[in-house]
Amino acid sequence: GDSVTQMEGPVTLSEEAFLTINCTYTATGYPSLFWYVQYPGEGLQLLLKATKADDKGSNKGFEATYRKETTSFHLEKGSVQVSDSAVYFCALGKGGTASKLTFGTGTRLQVTL
Amino acid sequence: GAVVSQHPSRVICKSGTSVKIECRSLDFQATTMFWYRQFPKQSLMLMATSNEGSKATYEQGVEKDKFLINHASLTLSTLTVTSAHPEDSSFYICSASLPSGTDTQYFGPGTRLTVL
Repeated sequence: GDSVTQMEGPVTLSEEAFLTINCTYTATGYPSLFWYVQYPGEGLQLLLKATKADDKGSNKGFEATYRKETTSFHLEKGSVQVSDSAVYFCALGKGGTASKLTFGTGTRLQVTL
Repeated sequence: GAVVSQHPSRVICKSGTSVKIECRSLDFQATTMFWYRQFPKQSLMLMATSNEGSKATYEQGVEKDKFLINHASLTLSTLTVTSAHPEDSSFYICSASLPSGTDTQYFGPGTRLTVL
């Protein structure tokens, strides 16, 4: 079946450091790929998405590129802020409209001053 | 836009009682809503897919008689945990999809259920 694997956290970085959170997937067909973020005490928010190979999703300084050859969708940000501290979930969706999502286990990011 | 609310945000109940959780799409009509369960420090597990006006589709291993889902309108889905037990304590999250043409889900803030 479909699955998503994320690097285990927590990831602790100093402010302005470069961030990479690895995500790889296993799926048949051509899934859409997502990054969701969950801030403390809040629900998940869509951070960015990509719907086909070589697409780059970007938002709030974060970006991820859909790499079909390596089945990856790594999340990157050039300079993190304390306010980026949250849990980040990689997910894949299939089936077009209203597709079910398969989530990774989440990676907690802690950014310190 | 695309705001989803849940009520209540927290609920504590005694073992054996039933608890209802509401999920509302506030500014759009959601033909499909999803219910997830999140265990501490773990990922979200899809419990069921709810389509307005029809029976919910449950994932393998989810007891449909225990977790009753009703999607009576395009803006409201409810999850009722019947005869709750301590092992049902968890964080329950709903999401909703915009009408046809998108695969993005919008999530509610979640409901923390504690069964004593």
